[in-house]
Amino acid sequence: EAGVAQSPRYKIIEKRQSVAFWCNPISGHATLYWYQQILGQGPKLLIQFQNNGVVDDSQLPKDRFSAERLKGVDSTLKIQPAKLEDSAVYLCASSLRDRRFQETQYFGPGTRLLVL
Amino acid sequence: AQSVAQPEDQVNVAEGNPLTVKCTYSVSGNPYLFWYVQYPNRGLQFLLKYITGDNLVKGSYGFEAEFNKSQTSFHLKKPSALVSDSALYFCAVSPYGVMYSGGGADGLTFGKGTHLIIQP
Repeated sequence: EAGVAQSPRYKIIEKRQSVAFWCNPISGHATLYWYQQILGQGPKLLIQFQNNGVVDDSQLPKDRFSAERLKGVDSTLKIQPAKLEDSAVYLCASSLRDRRFQETQYFGPGTRLLVL
Repeated sequence: AQSVAQPEDQVNVAEGNPLTVKCTYSVSGNPYLFWYVQYPNRGLQFLLKYITGDNLVKGSYGFEAEFNKSQTSFHLKKPSALVSDSALYFCAVSPYGVMYSGGGADGLTFGKGTHLIIQP
């Protein structure tokens, strides 16, 4: 079974530029998450999708971050304009969520963003 | 709001010795608890989880974790460490402590991580 795919793996941009990250979840996984992992910290949830609907975006900085999952499969996370403090690894995860219990979240390799 | 504490930034263990990585949590209700491992330049890999039932949970690569409700802890353990176990370990908690019908927010709250170094 293929895992969660993310691209690009690395991105370097200058502040105030825009950037987009792509995620393809495990086949059949209805739930998709984006996390931000700043160096030296644990991942922090940015947004959660159930199919193509947003379940939780309470920690997403909506003035500059946006995300979509139009067809309930792939997802794109965008930052516009980027700030220096956005330098981090952006992790995508997916889970089945077709049962009543908390399902395991499986993570992709991440996209490492450096804002100069 | 839930939180996770990993009190040690780094744990050093000699190869072949038992290892323990500590985790304590704070959550309303009964917790769902997870351990993940992260190798350099790679994403998080799932090790094990506690949902309900037996307090001793067995996971991948010989790891296990013991849930202690009175101490609100979920320490990760392994009887005999390998050099290849050297990595960054994260404890995480889910906001859901009871069964739910789905559709709710269940993003994980992570600790800051513990570097595990196994010395040959």
